[in-house]
Amino acid sequence: SQQGEEDPQALSIQEGENATMNCSYKTSINNLQWYRQNSGRGLVHLILIRSNEREKHSGRLRVTLDTSKKSSSLLITASRAADTASYFCATDFAIAGGGADGLTFGKGTHLIIQP
Amino acid sequence: DTGVSQDPRHKITKRGQNVTFRCDPISEHNRLYWYRQTLGQGPEFLTYFQNEAQLEKSRLLSDRFSAERPKGSFSTLEIQRTEQGDSAMYLCASSFWNPGRGGSPLHFGNGTRLTVT
Repeated sequence: SQQGEEDPQALSIQEGENATMNCSYKTSINNLQWYRQNSGRGLVHLILIRSNEREKHSGRLRVTLDTSKKSSSLLITASRAADTASYFCATDFAIAGGGADGLTFGKGTHLIIQP
Repeated sequence: DTGVSQDPRHKITKRGQNVTFRCDPISEHNRLYWYRQTLGQGPEFLTYFQNEAQLEKSRLLSDRFSAERPKGSFSTLEIQRTEQGDSAMYLCASSFWNPGRGGSPLHFGNGTRLTVT
């Protein structure tokens, strides 16, 4: 089963605009991560935000986390054609052996940046 | 290239055949994960290893699926008696887990795309 759900499922914007994707989840987490996937490739880690953090930045990426609403958002500023990809949020779950490193992924948001 | 590598990239097999996929993780990483991804979905957790120990396998899809990591380095995922519903991308990922540090990013390979005819 998939805990995280991204919204929207698909997003098409013009190059230079900002893209915002949202993620909702159901159970308590220790951290939430965002990944990017180009067609036919593996996932690439973008950013990790811990449950005690509210906002995090990395280059053109800004992630927020609201644990009271069990939601997160990913903002990509000044989008480029190369940002076209699918974006997934992933929440950790407790797995045998300790730690919370198992990740449950949502279905993703397919982002298209039109040049 | 020091990333996660998977072999083969593509596999076409007939229903009922057995298939085996290989994953070579990043050498410094102690955890290795297998995920399955179908079209339009996010990756679905299957199993993981910490070093050579398989610590979670309850999420393997059926008893036709098995995984090994015999020396704590590379891993194999085997599917016996394949079915058409097994057609998917099989992704391997690795990470370095430190009990004092908490969650860490996963590094994914480019996957093995399985087509069962």
